[in-house]
Amino acid sequence: QVQLLESGPRLVKPSQTLSLTCTVSGDSFRSGHYFWSWIRQPAGKGLQWIGRVSSSGSTSYNPSLKSRVTMSGDTSKNQFSLTLTSVTAADTAVYYCARGDINWYYFDYWGQGTLVTVSS
Amino acid sequence: QSVLTQPPSVSGAPGQRITISCTGSSSNIGAGFDVHWYQQVPGTAPKLLIYGNTNRPSGVPDRFSGSKSGTSASLTITGLQAEDEADYYCQSYDSNLTGSKVFGGGTKLTVL
Repeated sequence: QVQLLESGPRLVKPSQTLSLTCTVSGDSFRSGHYFWSWIRQPAGKGLQWIGRVSSSGSTSYNPSLKSRVTMSGDTSKNQFSLTLTSVTAADTAVYYCARGDINWYYFDYWGQGTLVTVSS
Repeated sequence: QSVLTQPPSVSGAPGQRITISCTGSSSNIGAGFDVHWYQQVPGTAPKLLIYGNTNRPSGVPDRFSGSKSGTSASLTITGLQAEDEADYYCQSYDSNLTGSKVFGGGTKLTVL
């Protein structure tokens, strides 16, 4: 059974950098059939795709966040990560990591989500 | 404002049939990109409900079905049950937003 688990600081100060890691179990980050994404959801609002990283290291980001986002993968640890710079209160959200199908572009496995609050 | 438009809420009585629409444009659904649907019970992660417009993952009851036509897609739930009360999101791909996977704003389903 594929499982994803987000980890990282739950509280980040404004203007600082948000960093999260997603640990994959039951599958290999090296799998060429999938890409690995971060998706976020502010309280009471909808889902926003942040970006994706593939096993080859190629990335694609939401244009609205592109200037502040970096994603990378670590095949030795079966993990991938998210870095979001210059955060503001608007970046407060539940952050999910998810596995995406490279052919259909759907997300079939999701982490439980982690609430990250931006506050001083 | 979401790239894909969904009604904010729908409701129905147990046993009834409801439909949730998802309207896009010529750069996403209308361009032929597939639509996928997710169910999210409050406080939990979204769950894949329909993929590739009409396909159900293993374990999803056949009460849930999807369709797509032109620039729109729909999720239909028949034989509504209390446990279906949740938020539902459509998702597709948009060619105007390089590499972007886009979501609808979500629809809150209330079972009366």
